[in-house]
Amino acid sequence: DVKVTQSSRYLVKRTGEKVFLECVQDMDHENMFWYRQDPGLGLRLIYFSYDVKMKEKGDIPEGYSVSREKKERFSLILESASTNQTSMYLCASSSTHDPNLSNQPQHFGDGTRLSIL
Amino acid sequence: QQPVQSPQAVILREGEDAVINCSSSKALYSVHWYRQKHGEAPVFLMILLKGGEQKGHDKISASFNEKKQQSSLYLTASQLSYSGTYFCGTEIGSGGYQKVTFGTGTKLQVIP
Repeated sequence: DVKVTQSSRYLVKRTGEKVFLECVQDMDHENMFWYRQDPGLGLRLIYFSYDVKMKEKGDIPEGYSVSREKKERFSLILESASTNQTSMYLCASSSTHDPNLSNQPQHFGDGTRLSIL
Repeated sequence: QQPVQSPQAVILREGEDAVINCSSSKALYSVHWYRQKHGEAPVFLMILLKGGEQKGHDKISASFNEKKQQSSLYLTASQLSYSGTYFCGTEIGSGGYQKVTFGTGTKLQVIP
């Protein structure tokens, strides 16, 4: 069965700290994504990666960076955490879409609820 | 730009039907639908490609109107298990690397 695992379910950090959120998938998926979810704003894409060491900015990349050194692992980094980055963070993965099979669904982890004090 | 979902929230009694709409201002390649129950991860329901096809998933189906850049999710004879927040995600262009832009969600509550 498909599994996307996020390292922490809840995390509390202080303003100015460097924060790492980790995500691991066991499906050999090429694509991985980081979203943040806030009430009334839905899911907003921060960054995504379509291959090892490759990354693309999403819609709200400011204040974040990512790292993908191995295919199965995608890390989200808050360089200097601020209170407005308090949110639920969701990681997802998908296989590369095959035109013959149509696009592939994204599989989500359970999320990390991050609080910045 | 995020697609617009309507309604924002809806309450149904068991057995009633509902329609959730998702509209985009840009030409769409595909539309994804997901459901998220409280405290859980979003779960994939279906993907529709441009071409106006309609897909079904148990008593949940969806359509994609390419001309209107709009997709609708139909929930028939709703069950308590249908409760949750429904998100549409839109993909622009010819697929690319699957950048999907999600709407703000429609909260659905089914009551006995």
